Amino acid sequence: AQSVAQPEDQVNVAEGNPLTVKCTYSVSGNPYLFWYVQYPNRGLQFLLKYITGDNLVKGSYGFEAEFNKSQTSFHLKKPSALVSDSALYFCAVSLTGGGNKLTFGTGTQLKVEL
Amino acid sequence: EAQVTQNPRYLITVTGKKLTVTCSQNMNHEYMSWYRQDPGLGLRQIYYSMNVEVTDKGDVPEGYKVSRKEKRNFPLILESPSPNQTSLYFCASSLSPTATGTREDTQYFGPGTRLTVL
Repeated sequence: AQSVAQPEDQVNVAEGNPLTVKCTYSVSGNPYLFWYVQYPNRGLQFLLKYITGDNLVKGSYGFEAEFNKSQTSFHLKKPSALVSDSALYFCAVSLTGGGNKLTFGTGTQLKVEL
Repeated sequence: EAQVTQNPRYLITVTGKKLTVTCSQNMNHEYMSWYRQDPGLGLRQIYYSMNVEVTDKGDVPEGYKVSRKEKRNFPLILESPSPNQTSLYFCASSLSPTATGTREDTQYFGPGTRLTVL
């Protein structure tokens, strides 16, 4: 079975400060990892994904994430947060060769304040 | 514009009254999926389809049906809705099942359908 944990329901950060949204995963094999963002009353939008290769993945809107195999983590980061980054963020995992199965975390609400 | 559309966006109904939520994509994607989103539970997959006439159960298929007669459409059917199916529903499509190809191979999500069953 595969699973994703997002340990923080909410993360608060001041505009201009760096932000981190945490994600850990559990799969029995090599994972594919994703981050999605959901703005109010909208569907999920793709931010970035890790498939293979460089552990540091750069995505949309200045976000990046680092794949850490030993810690089974895929934390989302941004050097300087914007108020417009405030949204609900989901981490997801699928398994190499696992067909369609995409498992989402429970989501982390990011609030960026002035 | 590449998009996934869902209708209706909002629906209030009563227990037992059959309903269908439509989903359509204009990207010629083979893979489509339905999710429900509930507070504290994230997104859970209901059903998915690998191609026309090929569908299979996800994590929470009970009480739902789907069909895939055309590549672009993937309707979600609730034959006898119950209050525990009150939720926010998302349809998604992608080029490949795990959306692990090029950067453009990702799951595209519809805007969501908020369903309330009384």
